[in-house]
Amino acid sequence: EVQLLESGGGLVQPGGSLRLSCVASEFTFSSYAMSWVRQAPGKGLEWVSSVSSTGVTTRYADSVKGRFTISRDNSRNTLYLQMTGLRAEDTALYFCARWSLRDFHYDSSGYLFWGQGTLVTVSS
Amino acid sequence: QSVLTQPPSASGTPGQRVTISCSGTSSNIGTYPVNWYQQLPGTAPRLLIYNTNHRASGVPDRFSGSRSGTSASLAVSGLQSEDEADYYCAAWDDSLNGFYVFGTGTKVTVL
Repeated sequence: EVQLLESGGGLVQPGGSLRLSCVASEFTFSSYAMSWVRQAPGKGLEWVSSVSSTGVTTRYADSVKGRFTISRDNSRNTLYLQMTGLRAEDTALYFCARWSLRDFHYDSSGYLFWGQGTLVTVSS
Repeated sequence: QSVLTQPPSASGTPGQRVTISCSGTSSNIGTYPVNWYQQLPGTAPRLLIYNTNHRASGVPDRFSGSRSGTSASLAVSGLQSEDEADYYCAAWDDSLNGFYVFGTGTKVTVL
């Protein structure tokens, strides 16, 4: 059974940094693009960032561009999200999710596999 | 900000049919297939519908999806108490070099 387990969330002050991790198991991690999707408290889902299977190509939502960096270590089956310059509006539950292709290109399949999320709270 | 608009809420009694709309543009729903997700309280989203009208594995046939022009719909027939959840549409959007966009979400209440 495919598993995605996020960690690294916590309470951080505005302007601070945090690194999220997502460990994948029971599938060939290096064959799939991966994404981070977040959900602010009581709000909807927001796509944040995606990385290709090789880690070469990355994409970011405008709301995090220049502040967040997505990366992966295929030898460790782990996806990362380095977050800097954190703002109150970044407070959310951060999910990692598996895309259906090697690259983050259009596909009709959507996100079939999700982690349970890790909570990031930005507050002084 | 989401570019796919859904009604904030919908409701029905057990056994009824409920329909949720999702309004987009030519850069997303007008061009690309739609996905639908169900999110039960305190859980991760679950893929319900892919490629506009295909049910994901294990999804009851009470759920069905459709699309017309720049809008899409999710129908839940024979509403059950366990269907009480938030529902999100989503689609690829080819503006700004392409990205994946979610709808604003609809809370379905079983009365």
